[in-house]
Amino acid sequence: EAGVAQSPRYKIIEKRQSVAFWCNPISGHATLYWYQQILGQGPKLLIQFQNNGVVDDSQLPKDRFSAERLKGVDSTLKIQPAKLEDSAVYLCASSLRQSEKLFFGSGTQLSVL
Amino acid sequence: AQSVTQLDSQVPVFEEAPVELRCNYSSSVSVYLFWYVQYPNQGLQLLLKYLSGSTLVESINGFEAEFNKSQTSFHLRKPSVHISDTAEYFCAVSVSSYGKLTFGQGTILTVHP
Repeated sequence: EAGVAQSPRYKIIEKRQSVAFWCNPISGHATLYWYQQILGQGPKLLIQFQNNGVVDDSQLPKDRFSAERLKGVDSTLKIQPAKLEDSAVYLCASSLRQSEKLFFGSGTQLSVL
Repeated sequence: AQSVTQLDSQVPVFEEAPVELRCNYSSSVSVYLFWYVQYPNQGLQLLLKYLSGSTLVESINGFEAEFNKSQTSFHLRKPSVHISDTAEYFCAVSVSSYGKLTFGQGTILTVHP
């Protein structure tokens, strides 16, 4: 089966610019997660969707980060404006349902200069 | 809240030597435990999990981990490593059987010939 697709693979921007990442989960997977992985740290959950509804966004910096999953399929994560500390790999994961096995994409590596 | 501590950031070993990657967790409630592996330029993959039952769990490629509730540990072991085991390994916990994961900082395992 096709895995979780993410794009772009790499992105380099200057601070205060905007950036968007895209994720297409495995077909039929209702639950979608965005994780942030800063160099030298483990992934940290930013937001969890169940279909097109938000289940948990308690760790999402809402002053600059936003995410949507309008049709309950693919999702977009946006940062506006970016800060230097946003440099990280942004991972998308999906599962068939909540409390089911997660499948991760390869991630988008963001460098903010 | 849950937290995970991986005690070694880097572990270098020679091929065919045994290895142990250490993981300790903290939680006020019962948790489920996972080890994920991330090979270079690939997404996170589930290596093994403890959900219930036997406290010793095994993966298909020779790794094993033992859940020790009294020591709040879930150390990963392999009796004889291969070059292909070179990767970053993440320990993670969840309060649901999969669901939202809290990751440790990761351990980079480098296997030398």
